[in-house]
Amino acid sequence: TQLLEQSPQFLSIQEGENLTVYCNSSSVFSSLQWYRQEPGEGPVLLVTVVTGGEVKKLKRLTFQFGDARKDSSLHITAAQPGDTGLYLCAGQRGSNYKLTFGKGTLLTVNP
Amino acid sequence: DAGVTQSPTHLIKTRGQQVTLRCSPKSGHDTVSWYQQALGQGPQFIFQYYEEEERQRGNFPDRFSGHQFPNYSSELNVNALLLGDSALYLCASTTGSYGYTFGSGTRLTVV
Repeated sequence: TQLLEQSPQFLSIQEGENLTVYCNSSSVFSSLQWYRQEPGEGPVLLVTVVTGGEVKKLKRLTFQFGDARKDSSLHITAAQPGDTGLYLCAGQRGSNYKLTFGKGTLLTVNP
Repeated sequence: DAGVTQSPTHLIKTRGQQVTLRCSPKSGHDTVSWYQQALGQGPQFIFQYYEEEERQRGNFPDRFSGHQFPNYSSELNVNALLLGDSALYLCASTTGSYGYTFGSGTRLTVV
């Protein structure tokens, strides 16, 4: 059973479109992080959210942590080809040091 | 500022052999975690080292072991390699609870 479920698994859109990807769980997380991973590279941290209901913006990317700290979403406005990559959410529970990752959403933005 | 450095980048081993992967954390980081990422999956936590001790371990067999040196660098050792051990092995470093910096990984192929 996957602790963190990400949807959709694959997403292919045209440049300029908006999109939202989701990260859901039945468990509560003390923090949730979003990473982007490109082929042949390690994940790169985009944002960390720690407070229920928190919203963070990073240029065209908007991240939200659910009120109950069980889910999160990533919204991209006016997607660009440079946004192409695997988007991973990862959570930490309580005082646990490990990150639990979802399987990721593979985003392709076509020019 | 150098990030996390991993070596080697690629490795091919035969079933039953042993392998050692190396990681130098980002400057100023004292905590190192290792993850295994199979194709099409999110990274899975192997273990974390802090102050030269294994602080937490994921659901991996004892064939997976590690070490952290006084300069905070780390090694991951895998004995009696299986075909299923083929994956991208990622090292991540941090100096606190949130926000990990990942290396580009070592691609291990077991034949």
